[in-house]
Formats: sequence, C-alpha cells, structure tokens
Amino acid sequence: DVKVTQSSRYLVKRTGEKVFLECVQDMDHENMFWYRQDPGLGLRLIYFSYDVKMKEKGDIPEGYSVSREKKERFSLILESASTNQTSMYLCASSPVGTHMNTEAFFGQGTRLTVV
Amino acid sequence: AQSVSQHNHHVILSEAASLELGCNYSYGGTVNLFWYVQYPGQHLQLLLKYFSGDPLVKGIKGFEAEFIKSKFSFNLRKPSVQWSDTAEYFCAVNSGGYQKVTFGTGTKLQVIP
Repeated sequence: DVKVTQSSRYLVKRTGEKVFLECVQDMDHENMFWYRQDPGLGLRLIYFSYDVKMKEKGDIPEGYSVSREKKERFSLILESASTNQTSMYLCASSPVGTHMNTEAFFGQGTRLTVV
Repeated sequence: AQSVSQHNHHVILSEAASLELGCNYSYGGTVNLFWYVQYPGQHLQLLLKYFSGDPLVKGIKGFEAEFIKSKFSFNLRKPSVQWSDTAEYFCAVNSGGYQKVTFGTGTKLQVIP
C-alpha cells in the first residue's frame, strides 16, 4: 500500500512564526503536492514538485515556500504564519505515468490553527 | 486554465435512494477525470478515474461515472446509496499533459438511515 505520512495531525502556531509541515511518501513517486482544503473552496494547489529540487507554483503560492531535498520528502514552509493560513493542509504523491494517467495518494492531513 | 464545477454542495438522501452528483470541467482538450471520496476522519481516496476508452467508468463500492465530452461533464452515480456512503466527494481533472490536478469544491453527501 502506498503510504503518504504527514508529520502532524494538529498544529497550533502563533502569528509570525515560521512553520514547517513535513510529508514523506514510501512509494518512490516522482510527483508530490501540497494542497489546502477549506470549507466551500475544495482543494487548492499551493505548490508541487515533479523531481528532487524542482518545484512549481500552484494556484495559491503566496505566503508559502517548499523544499524537496530528497525524493521521498516534501516540506511546506509558512515563512511568517498568519491567521488566514488556518486550514487543513493535504500532501499527496503520484507516479509519473503514460499520458498522465495516474492517481494521487493523499496523507491524513494537518490541521493548522494560527492564533 | 482548467477549472472544475460541482453544483451540489450538500446533498441529503435516504438509504436506497439513487445518487447523481454533477461535475463539469472547463478544459477543451484531452482530459483525465477523477472522483475522490473523503470519509469522515479519513484521508482522500480514489473512487474512480477516466483516461480513455469506454466513457462509462465503474469504480469501487458500486459507484460509476459517465464522461460526456460534448457536455464537458463527468457525473457520479450510484443506484442505491447506503449510510456508509456519507462522505465528501470531489471531482478532479488533469489535462494537457500536465501533472497538475485541479479539484472541485466538493459535495457533502449525508445518507439518512
């Protein structure tokens, strides 16, 4: 079974703090993704990575950065947390398939509250 | 840019009722289409997917979806829902040979015993 593990289920941070969310996958997938999930807005892509040290902005990258130093690990960084970044954060991974016919596998999510 | 619309935000059904959840996407080229489900307290998981071939796709737990290219639609169906189908359902699309997957806003389904 593919496993995508996010380091924390719940986090509470203060405004202005630097926050690291970690994600590890064990299936040697090339692609990794960070989404945030908010009620009524669905999943919105923050950043994704298709290879080590490679990254691309998603739809809402402002206020976030990412790091992918190893294939299995993809970190999301909130440089200076703000209350509007309170959300559920989902990490996902997928293999590179022919004609992009691959599915994404998701972690359990990290519920981040910024106070 | 690709986009996905799910018109039903919250659906309440009695057990054994039939289900149809709407999904429309905006991209006009070749698309890959997905339905994901999120049961309460669990992670998102794939329900079914369409890449090519037969436009009627069967997934897990008795779900199916039909790809209608002329209508840019990929609606999810189940003939008879169960209480255990209570969950949030997300339609998603990826297109243009690109790795990015765009999700809809989700539909919360509540099945009443």
